[in-house]
Amino acid sequence: AQSVSQHNHHVILSEAASLELGCNYSYGGTVNLFWYVQYPGQHLQLLLKYFSGDPLVKGIKGFEAEFIKSKFSFNLRKPSVQWSDTAEYFCAVGTGNNRKLIWGLGTSLAVNP
Amino acid sequence: EAGVAQSPRYKIIEKRQSVAFWCNPISGHATLYWYQQILGQGPKLLIQFQNNGVVDDSQLPKDRFSAERLKGVDSTLKIQPAKLEDSAVYLCASSLRGGGLAAYEQYFGPGTRLTVT
Repeated sequence: AQSVSQHNHHVILSEAASLELGCNYSYGGTVNLFWYVQYPGQHLQLLLKYFSGDPLVKGIKGFEAEFIKSKFSFNLRKPSVQWSDTAEYFCAVGTGNNRKLIWGLGTSLAVNP
Repeated sequence: EAGVAQSPRYKIIEKRQSVAFWCNPISGHATLYWYQQILGQGPKLLIQFQNNGVVDDSQLPKDRFSAERLKGVDSTLKIQPAKLEDSAVYLCASSLRGGGLAAYEQYFGPGTRLTVT
């Protein structure tokens, strides 16, 4: 069965620290990859996406993610986090014709000022 | 562009009672999703509609959950009777129809937080 694993469930960082959140998926075919973010009290919103082409994709607010096909990974990165990046981050993989997303469990990021 | 609307935002009921949630997707979005998100977990797809037809309801507990989208726009999700383990946030999302990649991008509403006591 297709699955998505997010390695870190809770991450605590200080402002200006670098961030990398891991995401691995299990699916052998063509995948479309997403990171969604949920800020406190707000709804889920798309952070960035990968469909094809350059495996390094850039999203909003300085986030980027790299698709490494050989590792079945799509890790999220940010060189310098801010307190406002405190949120829940979800990795999702889309496969198949019905456009269904398979979701990871999420990573809770807390950034201390 | 108006976003996905959901109501109510919060609901507290006792077990064995019934509850209904409403969702209005973004205008022009043919695909509508209902998710259940339990605290500390990712969203779990309950049902996916394409217009008013069901695409996937494999994880919908059909003995107690039901959903409809009669005119291909608004949708309601009902739980009857509710159990304690149904306490969760119920999310509605919508996306464009079609075979293009844009159909993968889901836009979420604020969710309904259900507490079953």
